Amino acid sequence: DAGITQSPRHKVTETGTPVTLRCHQTENHRYMYWYRQDPGHGLRLIHYSYGVKDTDKGEVSDGYSVSRSKTEDFLLTLESATSSQTSVYFCAIRLDRAGELFFGEGSRLTVL
Amino acid sequence: DQQVKQNSPSLSVQEGRISILNCDYTNSMFDYFLWYKKYPAEGPTFLISISSIKDKNEDGRFTVFLNKSAKHLSLHIVPSQPGDSAVYFCAAEETSGSRLTFGEGTQLTVNP
Repeated sequence: DAGITQSPRHKVTETGTPVTLRCHQTENHRYMYWYRQDPGHGLRLIHYSYGVKDTDKGEVSDGYSVSRSKTEDFLLTLESATSSQTSVYFCAIRLDRAGELFFGEGSRLTVL
Repeated sequence: DQQVKQNSPSLSVQEGRISILNCDYTNSMFDYFLWYKKYPAEGPTFLISISSIKDKNEDGRFTVFLNKSAKHLSLHIVPSQPGDSAVYFCAAEETSGSRLTFGEGTQLTVNP
Protein backbone atom coordinates (compact mmCIF):
# COMPACT_ATOMS: atom_id res chain seq x y z
CA ASP A 1 0.00 0.00 0.00
CA ALA A 2 1.09 3.51 -0.81
CA GLY A 3 2.22 5.55 2.18
CA ILE A 4 2.90 9.25 2.59
CA THR A 5 4.27 11.05 5.61
CA GLN A 6 4.05 14.81 5.82
CA SER A 7 6.04 16.81 8.34
CA PRO A 8 5.45 18.88 10.28
CA ARG A 9 1.73 18.26 10.63
CA HIS A 10 1.21 21.62 12.32
CA LYS A 11 3.32 24.74 12.30
CA VAL A 12 2.88 28.32 13.45
CA THR A 13 5.39 30.83 12.20
CA GLU A 14 5.81 34.54 11.75
CA THR A 15 5.70 36.61 8.60
CA GLY A 16 9.03 36.75 6.82
CA THR A 17 10.44 33.49 8.17
CA PRO A 18 11.37 30.58 5.91
CA VAL A 19 9.37 27.38 6.17
CA THR A 20 9.99 23.94 4.69
CA LEU A 21 7.38 21.20 4.52
CA ARG A 22 8.48 17.67 3.81
CA CYS A 23 6.71 14.88 2.02
CA HIS A 24 8.06 11.35 2.17
CA GLN A 25 6.69 8.39 0.24
CA THR A 26 7.42 4.77 1.05
CA GLU A 27 7.31 3.58 -2.57
CA ASN A 28 8.92 4.78 -5.77
CA HIS A 29 6.13 6.67 -7.45
CA ARG A 30 7.44 9.02 -10.09
CA TYR A 31 4.97 11.86 -9.71
CA MET A 32 4.58 13.88 -6.51
CA TYR A 33 2.45 16.97 -5.92
CA TRP A 34 1.92 19.80 -3.47
CA TYR A 35 -1.59 21.25 -3.17
CA ARG A 36 -3.03 23.81 -0.81
CA GLN A 37 -6.60 23.78 0.40
CA ASP A 38 -8.42 26.99 1.21
CA PRO A 39 -12.13 27.66 1.81
CA GLY A 40 -13.87 28.63 -1.40
CA HIS A 41 -10.90 27.58 -3.53
CA GLY A 42 -10.78 23.84 -3.12
CA LEU A 43 -7.45 22.19 -3.84
CA ARG A 44 -4.99 24.21 -5.89
CA LEU A 45 -1.77 22.84 -7.32
CA ILE A 46 1.40 24.61 -6.18
CA HIS A 47 4.18 22.55 -7.76
CA TYR A 48 4.68 19.01 -8.89
CA SER A 49 7.56 16.71 -9.72
CA TYR A 50 7.86 14.04 -12.38
CA GLY A 51 11.21 12.69 -11.28
CA VAL A 52 14.36 13.46 -9.33
CA LYS A 53 15.29 17.08 -9.99
CA ASP A 54 12.36 17.41 -12.42
CA THR A 55 9.72 19.84 -11.24
CA ASP A 56 7.11 22.15 -12.72
CA LYS A 57 4.86 24.94 -11.56
CA GLY A 58 1.21 24.66 -10.77
CA GLU A 59 -1.47 27.32 -10.71
CA VAL A 60 -0.40 29.03 -7.46
CA SER A 61 3.38 28.71 -7.45
CA ASP A 62 4.35 32.30 -6.59
CA GLY A 63 6.17 32.45 -3.26
CA TYR A 64 6.93 28.73 -3.23
CA SER A 65 9.85 26.59 -4.35
CA VAL A 66 10.32 22.84 -4.36
CA SER A 67 13.11 20.34 -4.49
CA ARG A 68 13.33 16.64 -5.13
CA SER A 69 16.80 15.20 -4.64
CA LYS A 70 15.56 11.68 -3.94
CA THR A 71 12.60 9.77 -5.37
CA GLU A 72 10.98 9.42 -1.99
CA ASP A 73 11.21 13.03 -0.77
CA PHE A 74 9.55 16.17 -2.09
CA LEU A 75 10.16 19.41 -0.20
CA LEU A 76 8.06 22.56 -0.36
CA THR A 77 9.75 25.78 0.76
CA LEU A 78 8.27 29.15 1.53
CA GLU A 79 11.29 31.44 1.35
CA SER A 80 9.61 34.25 3.27
CA ALA A 81 6.21 33.28 4.64
CA THR A 82 3.26 35.65 4.31
CA SER A 83 -0.15 35.57 5.97
CA SER A 84 -1.72 34.65 2.63
CA GLN A 85 0.17 31.38 2.80
CA THR A 86 -1.76 30.32 5.89
CA SER A 87 -3.37 27.14 4.63
CA VAL A 88 -3.50 23.38 4.78
CA TYR A 89 -0.92 21.80 2.51
CA PHE A 90 -1.37 18.36 1.03
CA CYS A 91 1.23 16.21 -0.61
CA ALA A 92 0.10 13.58 -3.09
CA ILE A 93 1.58 10.82 -5.19
CA ARG A 94 0.24 9.59 -8.48
CA LEU A 95 -0.71 5.95 -8.48
CA ASP A 96 -0.57 3.72 -11.52
CA ARG A 97 -4.28 4.03 -12.10
CA ALA A 98 -5.14 6.87 -14.48
CA GLY A 99 -5.51 10.21 -12.81
CA GLU A 100 -5.69 8.80 -9.31
CA LEU A 101 -3.76 10.59 -6.60
CA PHE A 102 -3.10 9.35 -3.08
CA PHE A 103 -2.92 12.17 -0.55
CA GLY A 104 -1.08 12.62 2.71
CA GLU A 105 -2.85 13.76 5.84
CA GLY A 106 -1.92 17.40 5.40
CA SER A 107 0.24 20.03 7.08
CA ARG A 108 -1.55 22.95 8.67
CA LEU A 109 0.52 26.13 8.45
CA THR A 110 -0.38 29.35 10.21
CA VAL A 111 1.59 32.50 9.39
CA LEU A 112 1.09 35.27 11.93
CA ASP B 1 -9.94 31.06 -14.54
CA GLN B 2 -11.77 28.28 -12.71
CA GLN B 3 -11.77 25.37 -15.14
CA VAL B 4 -13.62 23.04 -12.78
CA LYS B 5 -16.49 24.51 -10.84
CA GLN B 6 -18.76 23.19 -8.14
CA ASN B 7 -21.46 25.79 -7.72
CA SER B 8 -22.98 24.44 -4.53
CA PRO B 9 -20.79 24.98 -1.48
CA SER B 10 -23.10 22.83 0.62
CA LEU B 11 -25.85 20.23 0.39
CA SER B 12 -28.01 18.73 3.11
CA VAL B 13 -30.06 15.54 2.66
CA GLN B 14 -31.92 13.06 4.82
CA GLU B 15 -30.52 9.63 5.48
CA GLY B 16 -31.77 7.13 2.92
CA ARG B 17 -32.47 9.74 0.26
CA ILE B 18 -30.41 10.48 -2.84
CA SER B 19 -27.55 12.98 -2.78
CA ILE B 20 -26.67 14.63 -6.08
CA LEU B 21 -23.48 16.63 -6.32
CA ASN B 22 -22.78 18.61 -9.46
CA CYS B 23 -19.66 19.76 -11.28
CA ASP B 24 -19.10 21.81 -14.43
CA TYR B 25 -15.94 22.22 -16.45
CA THR B 26 -14.84 24.54 -19.22
CA ASN B 27 -11.75 22.85 -20.67
CA SER B 28 -12.76 20.66 -23.60
CA MET B 29 -9.40 18.87 -23.36
CA PHE B 30 -10.39 17.24 -20.09
CA ASP B 31 -11.08 13.57 -20.70
CA TYR B 32 -10.84 11.93 -17.30
CA PHE B 33 -12.88 12.89 -14.28
CA LEU B 34 -12.68 11.89 -10.65
CA TRP B 35 -14.47 12.47 -7.38
CA TYR B 36 -12.66 12.66 -4.06
CA LYS B 37 -14.10 12.66 -0.56
CA LYS B 38 -12.52 14.48 2.36
CA TYR B 39 -13.20 14.17 6.05
CA PRO B 40 -11.98 16.86 8.49
CA ALA B 41 -8.30 16.61 9.43
CA GLU B 42 -7.68 13.94 6.79
CA GLY B 43 -6.38 13.98 3.24
CA PRO B 44 -8.77 13.59 0.32
CA THR B 45 -9.45 10.02 -0.75
CA PHE B 46 -10.37 8.76 -4.19
CA LEU B 47 -13.99 7.79 -4.61
CA ILE B 48 -14.89 7.10 -8.23
CA SER B 49 -13.81 8.09 -11.73
CA ILE B 50 -15.08 8.17 -15.29
CA SER B 51 -13.45 8.38 -18.68
CA SER B 52 -14.84 10.61 -21.40
CA ILE B 53 -15.65 7.58 -23.52
CA LYS B 54 -18.34 6.64 -21.01
CA ASP B 55 -21.39 8.46 -19.74
CA LYS B 56 -21.89 6.50 -16.54
CA ASN B 57 -19.83 4.61 -14.01
CA GLU B 58 -21.22 2.85 -10.98
CA ASP B 59 -19.58 1.56 -7.82
CA GLY B 60 -21.95 0.38 -5.15
CA ARG B 61 -23.98 3.30 -3.85
CA PHE B 62 -21.99 5.77 -5.94
CA THR B 63 -22.66 6.59 -9.58
CA VAL B 64 -21.00 9.25 -11.67
CA PHE B 65 -22.70 10.60 -14.78
CA LEU B 66 -20.90 12.53 -17.52
CA ASN B 67 -22.58 14.80 -20.06
CA LYS B 68 -19.82 15.86 -22.42
CA SER B 69 -21.94 18.14 -24.55
CA ALA B 70 -22.92 20.12 -21.47
CA LYS B 71 -19.48 19.77 -19.87
CA HIS B 72 -21.20 18.59 -16.75
CA LEU B 73 -20.80 15.67 -14.40
CA SER B 74 -22.66 14.61 -11.33
CA LEU B 75 -22.18 12.21 -8.45
CA HIS B 76 -25.20 10.33 -7.14
CA ILE B 77 -25.16 8.66 -3.75
CA VAL B 78 -28.04 6.29 -3.09
CA PRO B 79 -29.00 5.72 -0.36
CA SER B 80 -27.20 8.44 1.53
CA GLN B 81 -25.77 7.56 4.94
CA PRO B 82 -24.58 9.80 7.80
CA GLY B 83 -21.04 8.50 7.22
CA ASP B 84 -21.16 10.08 3.76
CA SER B 85 -21.04 13.53 5.38
CA ALA B 86 -17.83 15.03 4.01
CA VAL B 87 -16.50 17.51 1.49
CA TYR B 88 -16.63 16.17 -2.06
CA PHE B 89 -14.22 17.43 -4.70
CA CYS B 90 -14.63 17.03 -8.42
CA ALA B 91 -11.39 16.81 -10.43
CA ALA B 92 -10.43 16.59 -14.09
CA GLU B 93 -7.40 15.76 -16.19
CA GLU B 94 -6.44 16.28 -19.80
CA THR B 95 -5.47 13.56 -22.25
CA SER B 96 -1.93 12.39 -21.46
CA GLY B 97 -1.90 14.94 -18.68
CA SER B 98 -0.13 14.59 -15.39
CA ARG B 99 -2.00 17.02 -13.17
CA LEU B 100 -5.49 17.15 -11.76
CA THR B 101 -7.55 20.33 -11.61
CA PHE B 102 -9.98 20.40 -8.69
CA GLY B 103 -13.23 22.17 -8.05
CA GLU B 104 -13.98 24.17 -4.91
CA GLY B 105 -15.70 21.32 -3.14
CA THR B 106 -19.23 20.69 -1.83
CA GLN B 107 -19.89 20.01 1.85
CA LEU B 108 -22.44 17.18 2.05
CA THR B 109 -24.32 16.70 5.29
CA VAL B 110 -26.50 13.62 5.67
CA ASN B 111 -28.94 13.99 8.55
CA PRO B 112 -30.08 10.91 10.49
